[in-house]
Amino acid sequence: QTVVTQEPSFSVSPGGTVTLTCGLSSGSVSTSYYPNWYQQTPGQAPRTLIYSTNTRSSGVPDRFSGSILGNKAALTITGAQADDESDYYCVLYMGSGISVFGGGTKLTVL
Amino acid sequence: QVQLVESGGGAVQPGRSLRLSCAASGFTFSSYGMHWVRQAPGKGLEWVAVISYDGSSKFYADSVKGRFTISRDNSKNTLYLQMNSLRAEDTAVYYCVKGFRDFRPPADWGQGTLVTVSS
Repeated sequence: QTVVTQEPSFSVSPGGTVTLTCGLSSGSVSTSYYPNWYQQTPGQAPRTLIYSTNTRSSGVPDRFSGSILGNKAALTITGAQADDESDYYCVLYMGSGISVFGGGTKLTVL
Repeated sequence: QVQLVESGGGAVQPGRSLRLSCAASGFTFSSYGMHWVRQAPGKGLEWVAVISYDGSSKFYADSVKGRFTISRDNSKNTLYLQMNSLRAEDTAVYYCVKGFRDFRPPADWGQGTLVTVSS
């Protein structure tokens, strides 16, 4: 069974840039996996940041961008702010109707 | 704007059943696939099921296949999740999430409803 991989944790300095990745235990991520990225703070529902690799959801600042980097999907946050401190999840479409989430990345801004 | 309101959660004993509902508004419900995603306490997100815009196709995660049934009533703009043979590991917040015309991962989230399976 293919596992979707994310860094368990990451830290970034205020104003800095960070790139979170979303990979596969076997194989490469491409746009055909329609990677989405979600942000979630404790006690809140997830919020969609990016869908279909690189399309920002309505109201999402352009500090957030999505791409394919090498064999992984990537979420890049530029000019990190304190309220970017959250859990970030990616999801990949595996085909045949099935989507699989990564385990999430806990981002610390300090 | 898109609004998704889940209901039907609560406490239930192992082996029993529960039906969740999701009332949708702010978009043409009958034109979009709809998903259920869950999150166990302190854990990550888990995709559960998807249904096509017209209800003709349904797909499930292995963890719920054969026990859960996703359905929709486009005349009522409502999505459902029938959960049978519930287990302790089904304890989670269940989110209704709006998808796209096809089955790609979804983008618009409800606030969720908590299901607790415990004796």
